Amino acid sequence: GPKVLQIPSHQIIDMGQMVTLNCDPVSNHLYFYWYKQILGQQMEFLVNFYNGKVMEKSKLFKDQFSVERPDGSYFTLKIQPTALEDSAVYFCASSLGQGDNERLFFGHGTKLSVL
Amino acid sequence: GDQVEQSPSALSLHEGTGSALRCNFTTTMRAVQWFRKNSRGSLINLFYLASGTKENGRLKSAFDSKERYSTLHIRDAQLEDSGTYFCAAGSNTNKVVFGTGTRLQVLP
Repeated sequence: GPKVLQIPSHQIIDMGQMVTLNCDPVSNHLYFYWYKQILGQQMEFLVNFYNGKVMEKSKLFKDQFSVERPDGSYFTLKIQPTALEDSAVYFCASSLGQGDNERLFFGHGTKLSVL
Repeated sequence: GDQVEQSPSALSLHEGTGSALRCNFTTTMRAVQWFRKNSRGSLINLFYLASGTKENGRLKSAFDSKERYSTLHIRDAQLEDSGTYFCAAGSNTNKVVFGTGTRLQVLP
């Protein structure tokens, strides 16, 4: 079935550095999402993205966060600078459309460890 | 690689009835979660199980790691239960695999 790929699966960086998480969404999908899950806690919505623009973002999507998908390449989440509390697993998802019943396809997650 | 097969892909229930969703795993999973996607796209975590069963209101979930499956039972379905439900399971701490979702529609 359709697959969402996330690269890398694990990233370790020092606090204050910049990090970019990469997501290769399903090829014909139009909506893209990032979620954050801190160990032992519920997965939380960060942002969704359509037609080159952020459509909606949560309060967890801090000013240090940015997303883009230049020319249909990877959908990226950049954090600059990183903080200790950014350590979490970040899940990318994509969907063809939007709505309560639209199916999301998820990547396997990128574990970010900020030291 | 690890795979999660979720069924059914879509389900319609009349108010007051119930049914079950199921996820089968191709490998032994450490734990399973069940989510419901709300209108904002956020995933609401319904259950987290490492084994056995858990119940919360009209929802009940079971996870059998050895037999490689998990179920989510909904009883006395209400209109507000409509939405898309996902299971997710991990075989190690760095990887979580999601099911493809079940679109539930509760009808009056």
